[in-house]
Amino acid sequence: GENVEQHPSTLSVQEGDSAVIKCTYSDSASNYFPWYKQELGKGPQLIIDIRSNVGEKKDQRIAVTLNKTAKHFSLHITETQPEDSAVYFCAASKETSYDKVIFGPGTSLSVIP
Amino acid sequence: DGGITQSPKYLFRKEGQNVTLSCEQNLNHDAMYWYRQDPGQGLRLIYYSQIVNDFQKGDIAEGYSVSREKKESFPLTVTSAQKNPTAFYLCASRRRNEKLFFGSGTQLSVL
Repeated sequence: GENVEQHPSTLSVQEGDSAVIKCTYSDSASNYFPWYKQELGKGPQLIIDIRSNVGEKKDQRIAVTLNKTAKHFSLHITETQPEDSAVYFCAASKETSYDKVIFGPGTSLSVIP
Repeated sequence: DGGITQSPKYLFRKEGQNVTLSCEQNLNHDAMYWYRQDPGQGLRLIYYSQIVNDFQKGDIAEGYSVSREKKESFPLTVTSAQKNPTAFYLCASRRRNEKLFFGSGTQLSVL
């Protein structure tokens, strides 16, 4: 089955700097890669996603890149703000059905004012 | 407002006891999922259901049971066979080819 790895497990950046989180997946049939942000005591919320037919997607300060050949995808947050501090999860799934979504172990991001 | 409601927010289990976590959605989503979250770990899939009266085991189904009698509801029972039940439990739902929507979670602890 699918396995998703995520690095780093913790990340601290100064406010205004960029943050990068990297993930790898094992199942070459996976074609949908969402990123979720989880604040303390709450459920995760989708912040951006990418499908395998594109290599990059941007939404304001957030961007995601996908390298299907290497089975890598990454989250980039620019101009970080204290409210970006949270746990971020990458995930992978196949979108041909209601297939299960497999999550990485998470990255705890701290933005230092 | 549409969304997913999990209850209770906090739950305590005595040894040998079964407890049931509630998950209700009014989003008209076909698929529903239960995940377990331990500190420092990702979300691990317990069970999922694509349609009423049908469900599949996830990666860590042992010690858990579910039912899907209504489209809106997907309760999870943590049985006494689950020897390490302390965790944060998350319910989610989605339409075909769309994102997962999560509830706010239930923290289960053992007395």
